[in-house]
Amino acid sequence: NAGVMQNPRHLVRRRGQEARLRCSPMKGHSHVYWYRQLPEEGLKFMVYLQKENIIDESGMPKERFSAEFPKEGPSILRIQQVVRGDSAAYFCASSPSYGYTFGSGTRLTVV
Amino acid sequence: AQTVTQSQPEMSVQEAETVTLSCTYDTSESDYYLFWYKQPPSRQMILVIRQEAYKQQNATENRFSVNFQKAAKSFSLKISDSQLGDAAMYFCAYQGGSEKLVFGKGTKLTVNP
Repeated sequence: NAGVMQNPRHLVRRRGQEARLRCSPMKGHSHVYWYRQLPEEGLKFMVYLQKENIIDESGMPKERFSAEFPKEGPSILRIQQVVRGDSAAYFCASSPSYGYTFGSGTRLTVV
Repeated sequence: AQTVTQSQPEMSVQEAETVTLSCTYDTSESDYYLFWYKQPPSRQMILVIRQEAYKQQNATENRFSVNFQKAAKSFSLKISDSQLGDAAMYFCAYQGGSEKLVFGKGTKLTVNP
């Protein structure tokens, strides 16, 4: 049973481009969470999704950020018109209930 | 809103010795979970240990144990017989009814040979 798969592992984007981060949860897990880790910080919650539904997006910036978890396929975190401040590690986690399994994260660098 | 505080940005321990990492939290909920995660340089978040708030017994996983003081809202991690592979960032995390995890800022643990 593969763990939570995130790709790409590293992503470099120029300012103004779009970044698309993918997350495939563990088999049988229907809850997906996205977290962001800035340098020297702990992880900060962004959004919680179930299949085709956004359950809690209280941690998402109001503009440029969106997330989806379609009926088929991976969950996608999309950042439009990236800025330097978006540079961070983005983690996805999946869970059937309490207790998460995290992916290895995507490190986004905006140049 | 819930908060998690780790007051030790860095700690060091000699190999084979014992070290305790501190964590306090603030919440008005009565049912919740607490976790310690390890993040080595590979960046992977690894679950070390988990504690359910309704359980009085402290959780233990091999060389890792916690001291959970619910009234004091304290949740410290003790690592016994420290090994070089224990060197990492350690994050304390809280999970309540909203299901999202709230993390502390982390403690960087160095293990000296």
